[in-house]
Amino acid sequence: AQTVTQSQPEMSVQEAETVTLSCTYDTSENNYYLFWYKQPPSRQMILVIRQEAYKQQNATENRFSVNFQKAAKSFSLKISDSQLGDTAMYFCAFMKPGSQGNLIFGKGTKLSVKP
Amino acid sequence: DARVTQTPRHKVTEMGQEVTMRCQPILGHNTVFWYRQTMMQGLELLAYFRNRAPLDDSGMPKDRFSAEMPDATLATLKIQPSEPRDSAVYFCASGWGQYNEQFFGPGTRLTVL
Repeated sequence: AQTVTQSQPEMSVQEAETVTLSCTYDTSENNYYLFWYKQPPSRQMILVIRQEAYKQQNATENRFSVNFQKAAKSFSLKISDSQLGDTAMYFCAFMKPGSQGNLIFGKGTKLSVKP
Repeated sequence: DARVTQTPRHKVTEMGQEVTMRCQPILGHNTVFWYRQTMMQGLELLAYFRNRAPLDDSGMPKDRFSAEMPDATLATLKIQPSEPRDSAVYFCASGWGQYNEQFFGPGTRLTVL
């Protein structure tokens, strides 16, 4: 069975600085999808970024980028120029093709951006 | 602005009562998921549907939980009878196809006393 581990329960960063959130996963699959979701205090789950395992190039979305290390089964999220609105829980998630879209989530990292 | 809607947003009930949570997926999405979020267990998949047919509900306690999609615009999650351990936030999400983004609703915060 696949598992997703986020080893940092809480992190904090100063506004405008850069922070990296860690995620590791365990799978025997060769092809799969990885996601980072953001959950602000409003509780709304928002997709931040996704990565297909067959793509070597790391995904980027504006200030958000990932460092995908397939051999190490690592999928970290880097947030550049942190903003107060980035304060949220961040969840890493794994999806196996053929699983009908079943997302397996990590426990989350609570990120606080300080002014 | 298409979004998933869930009702109610908050529900407080007493143990033993029936609880029904509703979800309206985004128009055109053919897959609907129900998740439960707790501090201890995190986000857990309870059940999901594709084209209104249930595909997997193995994450759901069968004796008290049931999920249905009476039509393409409505998904329901029912708990009968409810127990204090069911207190959680229940999310509905919808998407199109197997590999595309899941759009989440705002969740229903359930408290069972």
